[in-house]
Amino acid sequence: DGGITQSPKYLFRKEGQNVTLSCEQNLNHDAMYWYRQDPGQGLRLIYYSQIVNDFQKGDIAEGYSVSREKKESFPLTVTSAQKNPTAFYLCASSISAGVFYEQYFGPGTRLTVT
Amino acid sequence: SQQGEEDPQALSIQEGENATMNCSYKTSINNLQWYRQNSGRGLVHLILIRSNEREKHSGRLRVTLDTSKKSSSLLITASRAADTASYFCATDARTNAGKSTFGDGTTLTVKP
Repeated sequence: DGGITQSPKYLFRKEGQNVTLSCEQNLNHDAMYWYRQDPGQGLRLIYYSQIVNDFQKGDIAEGYSVSREKKESFPLTVTSAQKNPTAFYLCASSISAGVFYEQYFGPGTRLTVT
Repeated sequence: SQQGEEDPQALSIQEGENATMNCSYKTSINNLQWYRQNSGRGLVHLILIRSNEREKHSGRLRVTLDTSKKSSSLLITASRAADTASYFCATDARTNAGKSTFGDGTTLTVKP
């Protein structure tokens, strides 16, 4: 089945630890995105990548890092510098970063930092 | 604030009724998309309307776009309990091609 997967579904970490969230797609999409969603709110863009080995900061990139070494993978690291990391994280992909393409979303990872 | 803002924040209706949600945005756009999110899940794309289109249909969904008022509406006709979800609009601003901005969403509850 084609799709986009995120793992794990739930993640618990202690404050001060870095944590990496996985995102994999087998849709052969060029563009991939990471969003953060807080309760009762919309999505805010963290990072996006239009092509392998290239990525751009979104609206709330501080405290996060990404890599895009393979077309199908776009992992997100939440660093200890992120002041309020507890949130629901969503990964998405699209055929291209062009303006007329829908985004396909993964099921999300709920991160809790205590 | 967000490029797209939905109204109302919450909507509760009976099964069979129509549900209308609105989205307003601030800057010129290339397209506007509507997505649906069931609680605790990822988003699912519903419909995309381009800036040169005024209305689009998909099954029980009808989307309109008024670029002069910078607003869009999503109408769900003959609603079902399974339509209970949050609905988000997302815009691609002309100045940020390929980067969508999401609103805070409308939470729709359809009572059986």
